[in-house]
Amino acid sequence: GENVEQHPSTLSVQEGDSAVIKCTYSDSASNYFPWYKQELGKRPQLIIDIRSNVGEKKDQRIAVTLNKTAKHFSLHITETQPEDSAVYFCAAPRTALIFGKGTTLSVSS
Amino acid sequence: DGGITQSPKYLFRKEGQNVTLSCEQNLNHDAMYWYRQDPGQGLRLIYYSQIVNDFQKGDIAEGYSVSREKKESFPLTVTSAQKNPTAFYLCASSIRGTLRERNTEAFFGQGTRLTVV
Repeated sequence: GENVEQHPSTLSVQEGDSAVIKCTYSDSASNYFPWYKQELGKRPQLIIDIRSNVGEKKDQRIAVTLNKTAKHFSLHITETQPEDSAVYFCAAPRTALIFGKGTTLSVSS
Repeated sequence: DGGITQSPKYLFRKEGQNVTLSCEQNLNHDAMYWYRQDPGQGLRLIYYSQIVNDFQKGDIAEGYSVSREKKESFPLTVTSAQKNPTAFYLCASSIRGTLRERNTEAFFGQGTRLTVV
C-alpha cells in the first residue's frame, strides 16, 4: 500500500522568504498528489494538486513539483506572508488519500 | 448551502461508553472517509466508504465502527474497545472513490473533538 513521508515537521521563515516542503511516496502507481492547508482549529483545505502527467503546477505564490522517477513531490511557497502560517499536509492515493504527518509552517514578520 | 457537516463540534465521553459522531454531506458525493488527527501524527485513515452499503477498514479501524445506509450520511461510532479515543476526528467526502484512475479532491468537515473524561 501507499506510504507517505513528509519533511520537515516544522519550518520557520521570515516574511518574504521562500518555504519548501517535501514528500516522498512509495507506490509508483500513484498519480495524484494534493496539498492541504490546515489553519489552527479549522478543517484541512486543498490548496493545490498535481497529476502525474505534469512535472510542475503553479498558482500565484504556490507551486508543486513532481519527480516520478524519484517518487517525491514538493510544495513551494514564495514571498511568504504571516497568513501562510498553518499546518500543511501532502497526500497520495490508495483507495483513500493517505496523508503525510504534516509540516507546521511559521512565518514571522 | 452545500457542504459536509460534522456534529457535535465537541464531545465528551466517559470511560466505557460508546459514542457516535455524525457526518452528513449534501454534495451528492459517492465516497466518504473518516480520519483521526493527533498532534504530530497527521491524518490517519479509520474507515472509508466508496458507495452506499459498502465500507472498508482503514489503517486504524480497531475500536471503531461505521455504517453507510444513506449516500449522504456516514456516522462513526467510537466503542469502548478504543483504548485511546481522545483526538480530533475529521470526516471527508469526494465525488467518487479516490482510486488511482479516478482521483478527485476530498472535502473535509469542520471536525469533532472527542475527549474522554
